[in-house]
Amino acid sequence: QVQLQESGPGLVRPSETLTLTCVVSGDSLGGFYWSWIRQPPGKGLEWLGNILYDGTTNYNPSVKSRITMSLDTSKNQFSLRLTSVAAADTAMYYCARMRGSGFFSNDYWGHGNMVTVSS
Amino acid sequence: QSALTQAASVSGSPGQSVTISCTGLSTDFGAYTYVSWYQQYPGKAPKLLIYNVDTRPSGVSSRFSGSKSGTSASLTVSDLQADDEADYYCSSYTTTTTHVLFGGGTKLTIL
Repeated sequence: QVQLQESGPGLVRPSETLTLTCVVSGDSLGGFYWSWIRQPPGKGLEWLGNILYDGTTNYNPSVKSRITMSLDTSKNQFSLRLTSVAAADTAMYYCARMRGSGFFSNDYWGHGNMVTVSS
Repeated sequence: QSALTQAASVSGSPGQSVTISCTGLSTDFGAYTYVSWYQQYPGKAPKLLIYNVDTRPSGVSSRFSGSKSGTSASLTVSDLQADDEADYYCSSYTTTTTHVLFGGGTKLTIL
């Protein structure tokens, strides 16, 4: 059974950098896209971007200037780095696995990591 | 890129059927758009219900079905049950942009 687990801070100061990590168990990173999706309190889902197992990235234009995703295949994990955070970045951050060709849907999700941006 | 559009809420009685619509899918020439649907209970992560427009993952009830026509997609929930009360999100992936869009979500209330 594939499982994903996010880890990271619960509170980040405005203008600082948010770093989240997602550890994958039950399967390797190879052959899939790995996604970050967030959900502000009481609001809908927002795709932030994904990273393919070969390191190719796709980012949402709304955060493209501030976001970096990376992989660590030795630890079977991937990460999100979001710079210059503001209150609008307060959200539950989910990592998810996206199957590729013929699917392009997120079939496994982590439980989420709530991040609050506040001084 | 704009989010996909969904009605904020829909309701139905047990045993009835409801359809949730999602508009604004890409019309890029030569592109293929993959549509997915997710169910989310309060405080929980979303769960994949439908992928590639109309395919159910293993374990998802046949009461959930999807379709697509032009720039719109629909999720139909048949034989409504109490535990269908949740938020439902559509999502699209278009081969030309390689970006993912989500709809704003529809809250399904069982009367």
